[in-house]
Amino acid sequence: DGGITQSPKYLFRKEGQNVTLSCEQNLNHDAMYWYRQDPGQGLRLIYYSQIVNDFQKGDIAEGYSVSREKKESFPLTVTSAQKNPTAFYLCASIPWGTGTGYTGELFFGEGSRLTVL
Amino acid sequence: GQQVMQIPQYQHVQEGEDFTTYCNSSTTLSNIQWYKQRPGGHPVFLIQLVKSGEVKKQKRLTFQFGEAKKNSSLHITATQTTDVGTYFCAGQAGTYKYIFGTGTRLKVLA
Repeated sequence: DGGITQSPKYLFRKEGQNVTLSCEQNLNHDAMYWYRQDPGQGLRLIYYSQIVNDFQKGDIAEGYSVSREKKESFPLTVTSAQKNPTAFYLCASIPWGTGTGYTGELFFGEGSRLTVL
Repeated sequence: GQQVMQIPQYQHVQEGEDFTTYCNSSTTLSNIQWYKQRPGGHPVFLIQLVKSGEVKKQKRLTFQFGEAKKNSSLHITATQTTDVGTYFCAGQAGTYKYIFGTGTRLKVLA
């Protein structure tokens, strides 16, 4: 079945360690996104990528890095520079189109919950 | 930077009562989307509005996009316990960039 797969679902990290969250989609979508969600709060945009080998900073990119070497993959690295990384991380994707049937829907993965010990 | 605010932050209603959440952007939006997130889950797309003044209905849900394309609302008629969750609006700010609102958490008391 087509969809977005995020892994791991839960991750524990010690302070000072870098961790990488995986996001893979088999929907043939062009654009991919990373959002961060803190308890009881909205989604804040970390990075997004329109095409392979290109990505843009969102509103809270500091302490994070991404790559887009393949259309289907958009991993997020949470570096030790991120001051408060404990959060729920959501990956999303969207196709590019304007024709009939195009709804503009962002498709989300199940999320990765990162806890820093 | 661009901000999208939602009010109220929380809403508790008795089952059968109506519910409305409002979304306001600091800038004009190309379009606006609404999502629902159940506790512990991920956001699920509800609808997209594109035209100024547009109104769309989905059963008990009514969505409206303001004339100036800077605000939007979601109204639920006769809430049910299945409506529980957090409702987010998301505005498109330039090509491919989607900014989410702060969300409204709805609790429905049976």
